[in-house]
Amino acid sequence: AQTVTQSQPEMSVQEAETVTLSCTYDTSESDYYLFWYKQPPSRQMILVIRQEAYKQQNATENRFSVNFQKAAKSFSLKISDSQLGDAAMYFCAYGEGAQKLVFGQGTRLTINP
Amino acid sequence: DTGVSQDPRHKITKRGQNVTFRCDPISEHNRLYWYRQTLGQGPEFLTYFQNEAQLEKSRLLSDRFSAERPKGSFSTLEIQRTEQGDSAMYLCASSLDRAGVNYGYTFGSGTRLTVV
Repeated sequence: AQTVTQSQPEMSVQEAETVTLSCTYDTSESDYYLFWYKQPPSRQMILVIRQEAYKQQNATENRFSVNFQKAAKSFSLKISDSQLGDAAMYFCAYGEGAQKLVFGQGTRLTINP
Repeated sequence: DTGVSQDPRHKITKRGQNVTFRCDPISEHNRLYWYRQTLGQGPEFLTYFQNEAQLEKSRLLSDRFSAERPKGSFSTLEIQRTEQGDSAMYLCASSLDRAGVNYGYTFGSGTRLTVV
């Protein structure tokens, strides 16, 4: 079964600085999708960024970008110019085709003003 | 469309009682998923539907759990004879399956179940 591992239970960063959240996954497939979701306190999960495994180019959404290393099965999220509103739990997720997503354990991100 | 709606937001029940949760997905989404999330953990897959067909159930889904999506629109998740270990956030999500491409889910706000 596919597994997703987030090795950093907690991270903190100063406002306006850059932070990188780590994610590794295990699969024998060559075609799949990877996601980062954000879950603010007591609020619903929202999609931050999506990566298709067959695309070598790293996905970018405004201040959010990923470093996708397919051979290493690594998918890190970089948040630039961190803002107070970025404080949340961040979950990495893996999916094949339109199948269910498998989520990591999450990383709690704190932004220090 | 206001997104994925879940009802109720909170439910407190006594051990042994039955509870039912409802999820209304985004209207044009044909896939609907149920996940369970305990404090400080990632969501764990329970089951999912394509239209009204239940395509997969997790081994986490014991005989006390049942889910339906009778007309391919809203879905219900019922837990019979609740146990304290059932206390968790139950998340519903929906997506549109387009030729096997995964665009990710839209989540609801969840139903927090507390079994006392």
